[in-house]
Amino acid sequence: GENVEQHPSTLSVQEGDSAVIKCTYSDSASNYFPWYKQELGKGPQLIIDIRSNVGEKKDQRIAVTLNKTAKHFSLHITETQPEDSAVYFCAAPPFSSASKIIFGSGTRLSIRP
Amino acid sequence: DTAVSQTPKYLVTQMGNDKSIKCEQNLGHDTMYWYKQDSKKFLKIMFSYNNKELIINETVPNRFSPKSPDKAHLNLHINSLELGDSAVYFCASSQSFSTGTGAYEQYFGPGTRLTVT
Repeated sequence: GENVEQHPSTLSVQEGDSAVIKCTYSDSASNYFPWYKQELGKGPQLIIDIRSNVGEKKDQRIAVTLNKTAKHFSLHITETQPEDSAVYFCAAPPFSSASKIIFGSGTRLSIRP
Repeated sequence: DTAVSQTPKYLVTQMGNDKSIKCEQNLGHDTMYWYKQDSKKFLKIMFSYNNKELIINETVPNRFSPKSPDKAHLNLHINSLELGDSAVYFCASSQSFSTGTGAYEQYFGPGTRLTVT
């Protein structure tokens, strides 16, 4: 089955700097890679996703890159702001069961003022 | 204009009791899920329903029984609650999945924090 590993578990960056969170997956047939942001006391919310037919996708200050050969994908946040502080989860569904998403273990991102 | 709602938001109960959590979505989605998030923030899928039919049951104890009366509702009933059941339970919904095409964005509810004493 699919296994998703996420690093680092915690990340602290200075406001204005960039943050990078990395994930690896095991199912080479997986074709959808979302990133979710969970703010305190709330449910996770999709912030960006990428499908396997592209290598990079950007949305303002956030971007996701995918390396299918190495089976890893990364979240990049530039010009970090205090409101970026949250727990971030990567995820991947097994190709054989697209209804099921396996989440990474989460990264707690803190933005220092 | 709440998309996915859950009730109650907090639930404190004693071991051995039976409790239910309700979930409703107004997004017109066909697929709904229950997740458990433990104290270390691990998010683990428990159940998935598509058009009221159970499609995923992830080795969850029989004390947990989901019920989907219609496509917009997915409730979770828990019998004989144990200390280890303490967690935050999230309901979510998405468009119907399609094997081969890939999954779709999941919309999460605000969560129900269950505390068993």
